[in-house]
Amino acid sequence: AQKITQTQPGMFVQEKEAVTLDCTYDTSDPSYGLFWYKQPSSGEMIFLIYQGSYDQQNATEGRYSLNFQKARKSANLVISASQLGDSAMYFCAMREKNQGGKLIFGQGTELSVKP
Amino acid sequence: GAVVSQHPSWVICKSGTSVKIECRSLDFQATTMFWYRQFPKQSLMLMATSNEGSKATYEQGVEKDKFLINHASLTLSTLTVTSAHPEDSSFYICSASPPAGGYTFGSGTRLTVV
Repeated sequence: AQKITQTQPGMFVQEKEAVTLDCTYDTSDPSYGLFWYKQPSSGEMIFLIYQGSYDQQNATEGRYSLNFQKARKSANLVISASQLGDSAMYFCAMREKNQGGKLIFGQGTELSVKP
Repeated sequence: GAVVSQHPSWVICKSGTSVKIECRSLDFQATTMFWYRQFPKQSLMLMATSNEGSKATYEQGVEKDKFLINHASLTLSTLTVTSAHPEDSSFYICSASPPAGGYTFGSGTRLTVV
């Protein structure tokens, strides 16, 4: 079964608008962490934001925020005020405490920001 | 910040030859490193967990004899693609967890087998 699911292969957003990238996950481990990464065409993995399963508040990092809905097992990434440089692949990933630190990735969403 | 250096950035090799990819943690010790493979526009698929001083743990479906992993020191893990074939052409990337938490990724290696 897919542990991390990103159902949007591609997304378009107008520059300066906000966009939400979806991510759902599946785990029975009560202790887990959720990550979002940005991967430009160069291939580097850029860490964006982290949400722990026990965190009470949604994580925020500058223009990035994570809409964490634990009961629904979703961890959507919200990018506000999109910029042209935001065009890239975005990956949601999960680490489960009982899995030895492995980070498992979703399928990814390719975001294109239009001028 | 924590840095993981990965070399080479790209490599072209002939079918049947072996290729070694290195991953070094420059400013921290990494008892564990992770190796991923990524095809264009697809996800990062975890291949194996590299453990310093012991055997690597491979994910289901990954050929151990094909993808040899060695983690001989606390700062170096290597992935050797043996008897490479065109279907092994891919983007390979490593990661490690620095003491401060999270994950640091190498810059990746684009392997092309001709």
